[in-house]
Amino acid sequence: NAGVMQNPRHLVRRRGQEARLRCSPMKGHSHVYWYRQLPEEGLKFMVYLQKENIIDESGMPKERFSAEFPKEGPSILRIQQVVRGDSAAYFCASSPLASPNSPLHFGNGTRLTVT
Amino acid sequence: GQQLNQSPQSMFIQEGEDVSMNCTSSSIFNTWLWYKQDPGEGPVLLIALYKAGELTSNGRLTAQFGITRKDSFLNISASIPSDVGIYFCAGHLDSNYQLIWGAGTKLIIKP
Repeated sequence: NAGVMQNPRHLVRRRGQEARLRCSPMKGHSHVYWYRQLPEEGLKFMVYLQKENIIDESGMPKERFSAEFPKEGPSILRIQQVVRGDSAAYFCASSPLASPNSPLHFGNGTRLTVT
Repeated sequence: GQQLNQSPQSMFIQEGEDVSMNCTSSSIFNTWLWYKQDPGEGPVLLIALYKAGELTSNGRLTAQFGITRKDSFLNISASIPSDVGIYFCAGHLDSNYQLIWGAGTKLIIKP
């Protein structure tokens, strides 16, 4: 029973390039959440999606950031025209029911470095 | 925004000692969760608490949901080397699905 799978584990992009982060939730989980973590800090909520729907994107910057969770395939977090401040660890989590009715299970993250 | 105050920030302990850490907030939380994060890994759920006053154990770990719903503690008994890592408290306000996170407690075990 595979857990939440994220790829790539590490991603290096130059300023101005695009970053695409992928997340496959646990089997049977239709709720996906993206969080961002800076060093020495806790995680910060970015966006909550169900299949084909964005439920809440209030934690995601309005410009350059977008997320999707298509009917088939993984959830994608896309960052366009990356800047140095986008460097962080991005974690995806999934749950079978809408949080907080069931706890979140996290992937191992994608560490984005913008040079 | 809403904040969880987690303490201590770090702990240096001897193997075999008991460990205690806690989280407090000025806001009322509906759930409290405790996660452990190892370097380069994602957070792993240790204990989930859903009711005020609830006391739950998971092996050598025990956590409680404070009766005021504004705090929670995590105890680890008889620490072992694999307990090293960063422990995070997290919680939900009302029925909001956004998890609010503490800043973490780094546990270091002295050889």
